[in-house]
Amino acid sequence: DTAVSQTPKYLVTQMGNDKSIKCEQNLGHDTMYWYKQDSKKFLKIMFSYNNKELIINETVPNRFSPKSPDKAHLNLHINSLELGDSAVYFCASSPTGVFSTDTQYFGPGTRLTVL
Amino acid sequence: KNEVEQSPQNLTAQEGEFITINCSYSVGISALHWLQQHPGGGIVSLFMLSSGKKKHGRLIATINIQEKHSSLHITASHPRDSAVYICAVLETSGSRLTFGEGTQLTVNP
Repeated sequence: DTAVSQTPKYLVTQMGNDKSIKCEQNLGHDTMYWYKQDSKKFLKIMFSYNNKELIINETVPNRFSPKSPDKAHLNLHINSLELGDSAVYFCASSPTGVFSTDTQYFGPGTRLTVL
Repeated sequence: KNEVEQSPQNLTAQEGEFITINCSYSVGISALHWLQQHPGGGIVSLFMLSSGKKKHGRLIATINIQEKHSSLHITASHPRDSAVYICAVLETSGSRLTFGEGTQLTVNP
């Protein structure tokens, strides 16, 4: 009964490939997020969706495309992977509006390594 | 200069010590978030606060909006508290969450 789950946990791939990371939350939350944590452990917000609608899209290359088929899922698709995309990607959810003062619940992270 | 600065960057303590981690920010905020990242990588939200003080077990978080400063205190520290503690601020516009670089805490038995 994991609250926020991500698959896969580890992803190793070659430059130029296209890959997806899936995220699901079973908390009934309205808002979901994708974060990137680089090699220096610095977290940055990438996207946020509220009820399947894109709310925030920080300065992220358009090779990254989030997709939310329903409010319990927010998947991240990455085209033409580059070495600099290597990072840990965290999905999170929160009960109500984007960046309300609600607590966020984080998934376990997906470590992406691009060779 | 980062909009969110944490100090210290690294902190080593002995079990039982009282620990303080500081977070200063330069923008107007509506809330501040403290997160804990375990050695295995998992992230847990500790506190979200917009004023005053919150307490949960041995953890206490305070914020002074006028001074643009927050502190996270750990009483009676334990080796299992060893983790990276991250401060994040929600800007007043409500559309941006900016993270500090984290404080690596190591508590030795």
